Amino acid sequence: EVQLVESGGGLVQPGGSLRLSCAASGFTFSDYTMNWVRQAPGKGLEWISYISTSSSTIKYADSVKGRFTISRDNAKNSLYLQMNSLRDEDTAVYYCARDQQGTYYLLDYWGQGTLVTVSS
Amino acid sequence: DIQMTQSPSTLSASVGDRVTITCRASQSIRTWLAWYQQKPGKAPHLLIYQASSLKSGVPSRFSGSGSGTEFTLTISSLQPDDFASYYCQQYNTYSPVFGPGTKVDIK
Repeated sequence: EVQLVESGGGLVQPGGSLRLSCAASGFTFSDYTMNWVRQAPGKGLEWISYISTSSSTIKYADSVKGRFTISRDNAKNSLYLQMNSLRDEDTAVYYCARDQQGTYYLLDYWGQGTLVTVSS
Repeated sequence: DIQMTQSPSTLSASVGDRVTITCRASQSIRTWLAWYQQKPGKAPHLLIYQASSLKSGVPSRFSGSGSGTEFTLTISSLQPDDFASYYCQQYNTYSPVFGPGTKVDIK
């Protein structure tokens, strides 16, 4: 069974940093491209970052470019999101999501999400 | 950037109703269109990809159609488990975009 479990969310002050993790199981993690998607409270879904299987290709939404860094460790079956210079508008539930194999940005499995609250 | 719109934003329906949700793209995305279902407090789930292909395990009462800039998600006979929010998403470009969502609630 495919499982994605996020962790690392919490309350952080504006300008602060947080590192999210996503533990993958039930599939060969190194064979799949991965993404982070977020959802502000009561709002819609926003794709924020993509990473290829070997980490050679990385993409970001303009809203987080220069502040967030996606990475992965295939030996640990884990995906990460380092978030710096956090703003109020970064408050959201953050989901990691797997791409359907062979297709970019088609999100066939999602984690349960981790809540990040940016507030003073 | 490609923009996605959905209509209606909210839809009130009864069990057994046929329900149709429309998604429009600001430019052609061919058939690079997915539909997701999300229930309150839960993660989204993929229902349909490539505009009309049903993900394995998704009930056949869900169907999708369209190409280019206009797409539809149809639920042929609404079931109690289907009351949820539905999002379309284009994955034609390296900057994937979701529609604003359609909430299907009980009439």
